[in-house]
This record gives sequence, structure tokens and C-alpha cells, in this order.
Amino acid sequence: AQSVTQLGSHVSVSEGALVLLRCNYSSSVPPYLFWYVQYPNQGLQLLLKYTSAATLVKGINGFEAEFKKSETSFHLTKPSAHMSDAAEYFCAVTTGRRALTFGSGTRLQVQP
Amino acid sequence: DAMVIQNPRYQVTQFGKPVTLSCSQTLNHNVMYWYQQKSSQAPKLLFHYYDKDFNNEADTPDNFQSRRPNTSFCFLDIRSPGLGDAAMYLCATSGGQPQETQYFGPGTRLLVL
Repeated sequence: AQSVTQLGSHVSVSEGALVLLRCNYSSSVPPYLFWYVQYPNQGLQLLLKYTSAATLVKGINGFEAEFKKSETSFHLTKPSAHMSDAAEYFCAVTTGRRALTFGSGTRLQVQP
Repeated sequence: DAMVIQNPRYQVTQFGKPVTLSCSQTLNHNVMYWYQQKSSQAPKLLFHYYDKDFNNEADTPDNFQSRRPNTSFCFLDIRSPGLGDAAMYLCATSGGQPQETQYFGPGTRLLVL
């Protein structure tokens, strides 16, 4: 079985501060991991994904994530938050099925 | 250019009145997915098509059906909508391999009165 846990349903940071959104996965086989972003009343957009190549993955909008097998983690970071980063972020996993299993999401607020 | 298109963006229906949501894609992808997303929750997969092969999730209610007449189009039919079916419905496509990106449409928000 595959699952993901996102710690923190809400995260608030100041503009210019580091963004850290946590994701831990559970899988008995090597996973594929994804981070998606969702703006209000819109669909999901891929930020980045890990597919067993480099463990440090760079995505769009300055985001990156590091796959750490020993910690079963795939945390999302951005060095400096921008107001436009305010959105809902979902971590997702698959281990070979076409279907993704999503985490419960983290709402990021960016304070001016 | 829009790659996954959903119509309508907002749909209001009455309790028990059948409703159909549509999705089209310009990516020529093999797989089309339907997700249900309730307020402040993660998307939940209802079913997907790999070409014409229909794959239903085990916990998807019978009230939800789907049709895929060709590669480009896929429909979600809700036979008798209940108040609990009010949600955002997201369509997505992918090439079919697990590591491939799923491309999402903007969603259809369904309101049941």
C-alpha cells in the first residue's frame, strides 16, 4: 500500500522567508513522488516530481524538493516566499499504479 | 493553449436530477482520470480510462459512471446526485506510465440544490 502524510494543514510565512512544506511517504517499493500546487477554483499544476533519477529535484517557480529514502521524506522548499506562492500544495505518491495517492494538502499563507 | 478543458466550470443541478460533466484534451494522452475534490480535501480518484479500458476504484459509488467515446473526450455522469456529491470534479490526463505527469483541467464545481 502507498500513502503520504503532509504535516501541517496550514503554514504561514512572511514574504521573503524560507518555505518548508513537509511530506512523508509510506511505500514497500521505490516510489514516484510529486508535488502539485492548486490555486483557488483551479486545477492542480505540477511543481516537480521524483522518478528515481537525481534525489534533489528542481521545479517551477523556484521550488525544489529532496528525496530522502532513509527518512521516507520528500519535503518541498523555496528559499524566499513570494505573495504569489499563496496556494494549496499537495504531495502525491505512486508505486507503479497509474493512480496517484494524494496527501491531505497544506495551505500556504504568505504575509506581507 | 488549454490542454485539458472542462465544461462547464460551474454546474447547478437539483437533487436526483442526472447531470453530465465533460472533459476534453488536446494532448492525445492514453489515460483520462476523474477525481472528486470536496472542500479543503485532497482529490480522490473515482475512475480512469486507459484507452477504452475502464478502471473503477473500489469505493466509487455506483451513482457515478463514465464514458469515453474517443481519445479526446471523457464524460462523468452522476445518475442521481445527492447533496453529498457537491464538490469540485477534476479531469486529468497522462501518457500512461506511473512516473508521468498528470495534467489537470480547471475543474467543474457542482452544486446540488
